[in-house]
Amino acid sequence: GQSLEQPSEVTAVEGAIVQINCTYQTSGFYGLSWYQQHDGGAPTFLSYNALDGLEETGRFSSFLSRSDSYGYLLLQELQMKDSASYFCAVRDCTGGGNKLTFGTGTQLKVEL
Amino acid sequence: EPEVTQTPSHQVTQMGQEVILRCVPISNHLYFYWYRQILGQKVEFLVSFYNNEISEKSEIFDDQFSVERPDGSNFTLKIRSTKLEDSAMYFCASAQRPMNTEAFFGQGTRLTVV
Repeated sequence: GQSLEQPSEVTAVEGAIVQINCTYQTSGFYGLSWYQQHDGGAPTFLSYNALDGLEETGRFSSFLSRSDSYGYLLLQELQMKDSASYFCAVRDCTGGGNKLTFGTGTQLKVEL
Repeated sequence: EPEVTQTPSHQVTQMGQEVILRCVPISNHLYFYWYRQILGQKVEFLVSFYNNEISEKSEIFDDQFSVERPDGSNFTLKIRSTKLEDSAMYFCASAQRPMNTEAFFGQGTRLTVV
């Protein structure tokens, strides 16, 4: 089966940089995605890594190391609106359904 | 910008009643999903649907659950006889291609079973 582990909670101050880690165990790995979710609203796509290395999208960057089964999401210049839950997810095609399997989620609290 | 829409946003139902949750996926998408999220927990996969049939379902998706695409635009999730533990947020999602990097989620239906 698939499993993804993340820290449950991270707190940082406005303007700081924060890193949210994700370790995964999966068969048939196709890439690691990150989703943001505000207060139980719709998960929204942030980034995707299929290959090792860093992907940058504005203030957000995501890193993947396939050999270590590890990735992280880096948020820079934190703003209050970044307070949300962040989920890593893997594309799981083993069951034929091409589903996303989500991690446990990290609640980020940004403080003044 | 195209979006996935879900109705209703909230549904309260009595235990044992049937509920139908409705979704309109993005029009050119071919892969459809239902997920649920119990309050404070992670997003859990229920079922995926492609080419008018279920392509995969989780152990949560038992005989009480069914999905339909009754016409070219709607995608529904039916729970035949609701239980208290079915109370959760239910999200519909769609994707354009199977290996697409991005799935689009609706705003969800909050189901409360009393």
